[in-house]
Amino acid sequence: DQQVKQNSPSLSVQEGRISILNCDYTNSMFDYFLWYKKYPAEGPTFLISISSIKDKNEDGRFTVFLNKSAKHLSLHIVPSQPGDSAVYFCAASAYERDDKIIFGKGTRLHILP
Amino acid sequence: DSGVTQTPKHLITATGQRVTLRCSPRSGDLSVYWYQQSLDQGLQFLIHYYNGEERAKGNILERFSAQQFPDLHSELNLSSLELGDSALYFCASGRPRGAPTAISYNEQFFGPGTRLTVL
Repeated sequence: DQQVKQNSPSLSVQEGRISILNCDYTNSMFDYFLWYKKYPAEGPTFLISISSIKDKNEDGRFTVFLNKSAKHLSLHIVPSQPGDSAVYFCAASAYERDDKIIFGKGTRLHILP
Repeated sequence: DSGVTQTPKHLITATGQRVTLRCSPRSGDLSVYWYQQSLDQGLQFLIHYYNGEERAKGNILERFSAQQFPDLHSELNLSSLELGDSALYFCASGRPRGAPTAISYNEQFFGPGTRLTVL
């Protein structure tokens, strides 16, 4: 049973445009959400996170939106740059309940010139 | 460079064998997490250790075991290997000693991974 779902395996976006990566979750106990970025032959690196008490968190070109009622979050990258081409993982945890983080399968983002 | 090291980088072995993967966390981090990434799969959480104690278990097979030593490095032992165990194994660390009980506890720093190939 996949608790964190990234339904788009890949996404292509023109350089300079907005990239929107989506993530859905099923476990209502999740209260902390993270996005990680992964380049080939490297480990994932933390990008941005959001607590369930917020509905938006912004860090430079990256913004994460959380819709708790829909159990949906999205990562917006604007403007998209060539270096953003990578695999993006959505992850979630029930911060106060246990010590594991559940990852989605990832979305491969291609930024087109 | 995340500060997390994993050895070996690549490992090729045969079915039925046993291997040990090693992880050294970032200096000061008390937690070590192990993940498996198979082809077309996301990061599957295996196990979490905090300051030497097991804190959470995920989809870890009984043939797999892990431990965290007093110096905080961790080892993941995989035994009776099967072809399906071929995967990338990542270690991540977090929760620096003395950090406040804040959301930042959940930020993890990943190592470069060990690619295991079982033939």
